[in-house]
This record gives sequence, C-alpha cells and structure tokens, in this order.
Amino acid sequence: GESVGLHLPTLSVQEGDNSIINCAYSNSASDYFIWYKQESGKGPQFIIDIRSNMDKRQGQRVTVLLNKTVKHLSLQIAATQPGDSAVYFCAENIEGSNYKLTFGKGTLLTVNP
Amino acid sequence: EAGVTQFPSHSVIEKGQTVTLRCDPISGHDNLYWYRRVMGKEIKFLLHFVKESKQDESGMPNNRFLAERTGGTYSTLKVQPAELEDSGVYFCASSQEWNRIYEQYFGPGTRLTVT
Repeated sequence: GESVGLHLPTLSVQEGDNSIINCAYSNSASDYFIWYKQESGKGPQFIIDIRSNMDKRQGQRVTVLLNKTVKHLSLQIAATQPGDSAVYFCAENIEGSNYKLTFGKGTLLTVNP
Repeated sequence: EAGVTQFPSHSVIEKGQTVTLRCDPISGHDNLYWYRRVMGKEIKFLLHFVKESKQDESGMPNNRFLAERTGGTYSTLKVQPAELEDSGVYFCASSQEWNRIYEQYFGPGTRLTVT
C-alpha cells in the first residue's frame, strides 16, 4: 500500500550545524503534512505543518519544504542543538481519509556537542 | 493543563494473556485516537473516537483488539489474547476538533512486550 517513508534512518550532526531530514511519500492525494519530534519516553510532539498548496513554511529554527513534483518533504533545522536529538517523523493526511495520519518510519537525529 | 496520559507506561505479558491499556485525553477533547508502532515500522492509526462513538476503526488489526470509551472520557484498549506480534508502543492522542490534525496531542505511549 502507499505510505510515507524516509530516506535515512539515522543522522548525526555537530552542534551548530544545520540538519536536513528527508521524507518521501507516494500518495498524490496527500494534502497535508506534519513533522513530529519524539524524544525518549515521550509521545510525538508537533513541530511544523504544511499544506499541499504551499512549497515552504518556516517556523522557529525549522523550515519545511514540500516538492509535490517528486513527492518529497524535508525538515531543515538551523543551528542544531543537543536538545534537538530525537526521532523525527513525517506524517501525512490523505485527502478523504477522515483526518487520520499516516506516518513514516522515523529518522533518529543525534547531535554531537 | 495536563496532557494526554497513558497507563501503564510499560507492560510485559505472556502470549495468550490479556492486557488493557488506558488513555486519559486532555479534558474537553472529544476526539481520541489510538495509534501503535511495532518494532522498526511506522506509527499506524488504529481508531478514532468522537466522544463515546467509534468514528473510524479501520486500523484495528483484528478482533483480538477491543477499544472502548464509555462516557466519552477515558478510553481503554484491550488485547485478548495477546500474540507476539502485538508487541510495540501504543500511543493515544486527543484533539478538540476532529479536523484540526495539528492539534492532535500525543501521550507518552505504553510499551507492550509480549513474550
């Protein structure tokens, strides 16, 4: 079945560097995407979202880019900090799915001091 | 404001036993969702309650899983009898409005280990 997937399962960066986490999706009917951060022992926490009629959205230190042509989503974290170490999930809402989320497998981001 | 809480945080049971997971949503949230993540795989939707009614249970894997939300407050998810492949982390989320996906707040999860 169609699902959201991730290119890299792990990513290790140095503190202060920028991080880019990628996500591929295959369902062209997806109209809304969310990035979640999950720290150890906690549930997924909303970071940023983007609708399919947008290409880019910025938050505090985070930017999400959406390329509908190649069905690719990325999360950019500027000046990565040790507190950013976590598993990051992309999730999509497929239009007509009654607002239930389809998640990718997750990428483990490790920030080295 | 208290967040979504789940109990227990971790459960270890033997194959064939029964386990009941509990979720307390954020007060006032009519929408309650169950998700699970089995080892190495994606977080998958199980079902969605609106108050005490099951809005969508298309993700429930089989009839060994029973979810209830009597009174429209807390919810339970019972697995009976548990199988090895049921091991994973079960997440609960709640939201005030069903169409505001970004407002689905997740609990810390219950890690279920079936041996």
